[in-house]
Amino acid sequence: SAVISQKPSRDICQRGTSLTIQCQVDSQVTMMFWYRQQPGQSLTLIATANQGSEATYESGFVIDKFPISRPNLTFSTLTVSNMSPEDSSIYLCSVRPGLHTYEQYFGPGTRLTVT
Amino acid sequence: LAKTTQPISMDSYEGQEVNITCSHNNIATNDYITWYQQFPSQGPRFIIQGYKTKVTNEVASLFIPADRKSSTLSLPRVSLSDTAVYYCLVGEHTGGFKTIFGAGTRLFVKA
Repeated sequence: SAVISQKPSRDICQRGTSLTIQCQVDSQVTMMFWYRQQPGQSLTLIATANQGSEATYESGFVIDKFPISRPNLTFSTLTVSNMSPEDSSIYLCSVRPGLHTYEQYFGPGTRLTVT
Repeated sequence: LAKTTQPISMDSYEGQEVNITCSHNNIATNDYITWYQQFPSQGPRFIIQGYKTKVTNEVASLFIPADRKSSTLSLPRVSLSDTAVYYCLVGEHTGGFKTIFGAGTRLFVKA
């Protein structure tokens, strides 16, 4: 299994500013993902965080808006840039520990409110 | 990725068995069926995964018919703490493959 922590757990930000969310895993993992979940909705995959290379973004998400870093196998950051109220959501980090592992583990999430 | 269809919500009472069925008509040969559970204010948690026939663990059972076009998650003797959203996912879900979530089923367990 993998234990995931995220910082901050929640934040209230003004529109036009940026917030960086950190994801720390207690062990080295192969795959890391970032999801967004709006209130009462399902999870939407933002991107796959690739170690040592640029993240792979899903349709509707772009690097300029959601830059992602993954400097090593236990850590990643997601930045929400130039925020608007529509970015208010829960952002979740997720990992799949091994290439032959099908279980994914999720962090507790970061609740972001943009005013 | 195969599309999945599940009921939007279900109600049950404590002590009852709950069966949540998921349709996935376009499932591919290499696809597995995976279920996750999500409590309010928490990230999803893996429950069970299967390829065909029946899989059982300490939490649930998963029934998959021979044609694999549907699957049923069975929760025995639910309690109030089983109130959650249950997601059915179909895909390879290993290696570099992405996990895409559908709408899920909101289960309400009443006393």
